[in-house]
Order: sequence, then structure tokens, then C-alpha cells
Amino acid sequence: AQSVTQPDARVTVSEGASLQLRCKYSYSATPYLFWYVQYPRQGLQMLLKYYSGDPVVQGVNGFEAEFSKSDSSFHLRKASVHWSDSAVYFCAVSANSAGNKLTFGIGTRVLVRP
Amino acid sequence: EAAVTQSPRNKVAVTGGKVTLSCNQTNNHNNMYWYRQDTGHGLRLIHYSYGAGSTEKGDIPDGYKASRPSQENFSLILELATPSQTSVYFCASGDVLDSYEQYFGPGTRLTVL
Repeated sequence: AQSVTQPDARVTVSEGASLQLRCKYSYSATPYLFWYVQYPRQGLQMLLKYYSGDPVVQGVNGFEAEFSKSDSSFHLRKASVHWSDSAVYFCAVSANSAGNKLTFGIGTRVLVRP
Repeated sequence: EAAVTQSPRNKVAVTGGKVTLSCNQTNNHNNMYWYRQDTGHGLRLIHYSYGAGSTEKGDIPDGYKASRPSQENFSLILELATPSQTSVYFCASGDVLDSYEQYFGPGTRLTVL
């Protein structure tokens, strides 16, 4: 079965600084990989996804992620954060199995300080 | 605009009572999902469905039932609610034709006293 590890429960950064959120997955083949964001009192919204091709994928609001097969990782980055990026970020993997089920990491709460 | 809606948004129930959470999607997706979100666990899959009339167990199905009477609607049923089921519940829809992305509703906050 697949699994996702997000090692950082909380990250605090200053506005304008860069951000990297780590994600490692466990799966025997290449899965679909996602990053979702959850703003306060809202549902989850997809930031970006990867399955094949260029290992660096661009998402919404200036986010990008880089896939590494050798490292089994899919880290999320943003060059310059804004206070509105304060949210919880989830990495997720789909094993392309029947039902297209997603397995989520526990999430990383990001606080952007003015 | 494609959307997933949930009702109610907030619910307080008593232990042993029956609770039904409803979900409606206008994405015309075949698959629908129910998750619960708890601190330290992220989102965990309770039940899912491939289409009208089908329900499948997810990773934590105990204490929950699901019903998919139509393409658009998917319900989660707690026949005998317990305080351990206090959580935030999210419904989502998705389809292989949409590259496996899932679209989430706004969530239902359930408190079982």
C-alpha cells in the first residue's frame, strides 16, 4: 500500500522569503502525486499534480514542485511567500488503482509572518 | 462551475443517535469519496463509490455506512454516533478522465456529545 510522509508539522516563514515543504512517498511504481492546500475553514484545493514528463511542475499562485524518483520525493516550493499563503498543505498520492483513491500525508501548517 | 456541496455544514449529535451527512456534486464524476480529517492524521478515507448504486469500504469504514442513490449524491450515515466520530468530514468527487484529481466540498463539522 502507498504512504506519504510530511516530516514538518509546522513551518513559519517571513513574508517575501522562500518556502519549501517536504514530501516523501512510498509506492512501487510511479504514482500520481498531488499537492493540495486548505485555507482556514475551507475544503481542499489542488495546487498542482504530477504523473510523467518534466519533473518540475508548475502550479497555481507561483507554487512549483519537483518529483524525484530516486529519492521518492515530491517537494513543494515557492520563491516568495505572501501572508495569504498561510494555510495547511497536503501531499497526496494516487496509486492509479480502481477507485483512484488518494492517500494523504498529515499536512504541514504554514504560517507567514508579516 | 463544477462544484461539490455538503450539508449540513455543522452538526451536533448525541451519542447513540443517527447522523446523515449529505454530499452533492455537479462535476458529473463517476467517483465520490468520504474522508474525515483529524489533527495528526490528515485525511483518511471512509467510503467511496464508483457510481450510482455502488459503495466501497475505504481505510476506516467501521461505524459508517454510505449510500449512492444517484450520480450526483453520496451520503455518509452514522447509525449509532459515538464521541470518537467527532471530526470534520469532507466529500470529494473525481474521475480518471480528470487525471485522478479530486474536488472537495467545504466540509461538515460534526460534534457528538
